[in-house]
Amino acid sequence: AQKVTQAQTEISVVEKEDVTLDCVYETRDTTYYLFWYKQPPSGELVFLIRRNSFDEQNEISGRYSWNFQKSTSSFNFTITASQVVDSAVYFCALSVISNFGNEKLTFGTGTRLTIIP
Amino acid sequence: NAGVTQTPKFRVLKTGQSMTLLCAQDMNHEYMYWYRQDPGMGLRLIHYSVGEGTTAKGEVPDGYNVSRLKKQNFLLGLESAAPSQTSVYFCASRSGTGGFETEAFFGQGTRLTVV
Repeated sequence: AQKVTQAQTEISVVEKEDVTLDCVYETRDTTYYLFWYKQPPSGELVFLIRRNSFDEQNEISGRYSWNFQKSTSSFNFTITASQVVDSAVYFCALSVISNFGNEKLTFGTGTRLTIIP
Repeated sequence: NAGVTQTPKFRVLKTGQSMTLLCAQDMNHEYMYWYRQDPGMGLRLIHYSVGEGTTAKGEVPDGYNVSRLKKQNFLLGLESAAPSQTSVYFCASRSGTGGFETEAFFGQGTRLTVV
């Protein structure tokens, strides 16, 4: 069975500080995808990034960067120079194909990030 | 650009009442999911479907039933609502092309309170 752990329940940082959100996953599958979603106070879930298990290159998109390390089964998310608009709940998710070929998308419990002005 | 639409957005039920939540997507996606979101527990998968006419149990299926009679619709039913089913429910869909590597698109959520 697959599992996603986001050990940080809540994080608060002062605006312009950098912050890293941790994500650790478990799966026996060799082929899988990892995702990050953002849930702002308005409640909708917004897709941020996808990474497949064969691509360990880090990715940067503006102030956001992601570090994928298969050796530690981690897919961490860093926000540089944080802004108040980054305040949200962030979810890490794992996608594998189960034994019967069915699709499963498993989420972590989320990290609530608060940026203090 | 409707995407994924959930109906209703809010509902209050009395214990023992039944109701159906409707999820409709206009992206021709094969895969659809129902999640519930509770404080401190993240998103937990209730049921999902990999195509019209198919359904499968997720992590927390008890007390819920689903149907996928049409590709674009995924219905979540509560036969006899209990206070433990008070939650925010999210529907999501994903493309069948490319399968499990595609991102999920979410509805805006349904806030259900069972009193």
